[in-house]
Amino acid sequence: GAGVSQSPSNKVTEKGKDVELRCDPISGHTALYWYRQRLGQGLEFLIYFQGNSAPDKSGLPSDRFSAERTGESVSTLTIQRTQQEDSAVYLCASTLAGGATEAFFGQGTRLTVV
Amino acid sequence: SQQGEEDPQALSIQEGENATMNCSYKTSINNLQWYRQNSGRGLVHLILIRSNEREKHSGRLRVTLDTSKKSSSLLITASRAADTASYFCATDAGRRALTFGSGTRLQVQP
Repeated sequence: GAGVSQSPSNKVTEKGKDVELRCDPISGHTALYWYRQRLGQGLEFLIYFQGNSAPDKSGLPSDRFSAERTGESVSTLTIQRTQQEDSAVYLCASTLAGGATEAFFGQGTRLTVV
Repeated sequence: SQQGEEDPQALSIQEGENATMNCSYKTSINNLQWYRQNSGRGLVHLILIRSNEREKHSGRLRVTLDTSKKSSSLLITASRAADTASYFCATDAGRRALTFGSGTRLQVQP
């Protein structure tokens, strides 16, 4: 596609349920990032993929969070047993060559845990 | 903690005035980028400055980089109401690319 696409754009879930967030990066972009942004806050780095590998998972806040990328394309971020503090906008970005080039962002998934 | 920290956290100016935002970072970088965010959604890339550059211009934007002080500034000249947004700096430290600061919320009053 022409840009980074994220789905769903909004998700309301009950506490304790699992959720899957999807990111479709720009075709040909080797690097993919997930960030979390709480209301009025900055971007919190979660995980970075280079191809299908994740050289840096250190930003994942707990073992309830996991992510994978397949075909050097689509990535899914899974949050198990969601908690209210997981409520945030989850942003995905892709770049042609890691951090050396411009990052293109999706519009994010707004997750609300009730 | 964040690699980059923007200052001030919030800035309110009148249309036509200049807006200056600063960013400080902690480790050596390959480049520094500035992004804009409207309404808490996707960020849009504004400008990238490499570690061997000191100043860069793009339209009404001027970015400076001082690697000895580990700081950068973003100047928006002749601001417009449409410039109202949050502005973030992002650094590429090589190992973990693109770490963002906490942002400056700019309000331009018409």
